[in-house]
Amino acid sequence: AQTVTQSQPEMSVQEAETVTLSCTYDTSESDYYLFWYKQPPSRQMILVIRQEAYKQQNATENRFSVNFQKAAKSFSLKISDSQLGDAAMYFCAYRTSRDDKIIFGKGTRLHILP
Amino acid sequence: DGGITQSPKYLFRKEGQNVTLSCEQNLNHDAMYWYRQDPGQGLRLIYYSQIVNDFQKGDIAEGYSVSREKKESFPLTVTSAQKNPTAFYLCASSMWGATEAFFGQGTRLTVV
Repeated sequence: AQTVTQSQPEMSVQEAETVTLSCTYDTSESDYYLFWYKQPPSRQMILVIRQEAYKQQNATENRFSVNFQKAAKSFSLKISDSQLGDAAMYFCAYRTSRDDKIIFGKGTRLHILP
Repeated sequence: DGGITQSPKYLFRKEGQNVTLSCEQNLNHDAMYWYRQDPGQGLRLIYYSQIVNDFQKGDIAEGYSVSREKKESFPLTVTSAQKNPTAFYLCASSMWGATEAFFGQGTRLTVV
């Protein structure tokens, strides 16, 4: 069975600094997709970034980028120039194209220190 | 506006009663999902459906039931067999074939 592991329940970073959130996953599939979602205090889930497993190039969205290591089954999220609005729960998610099942990790709560 | 609507936002029920949570989407998405969120547990998959009249159990389906009679709707019933139903429930939908899921605003269910 596929699993997603986020080993950091909580992290803090100084405003304007860079922080990296870790995610590892376990799968026997070769075709899949990975996502990072943000959940602010409103509890609305917001997609931050996505990565297709067949693409070697790491995805980037403005201040957000990923380090995708397929062989190591690792998918970390880097947030540059952290802003107060980045404070939220961050969830790593995995989706196989075989059956559309989407599995989430337990999340990392990110605090931004002014 | 296109989106996913969950209702109600807050729901209170007495122990032993079944309760149904509503989820409607007008995005023309094929797949729909129900997740349960508890503190420290992340999002756990209850049920998902790829097509009308078909659905699959997720990791924590016991005590829950669903139906998918229309593409737009995927209601979740929390039955009296669910041992600890108080939680935050999230519904999501996506296009078929591995794109990101879009989420509703959630329903906070409290059973007393």
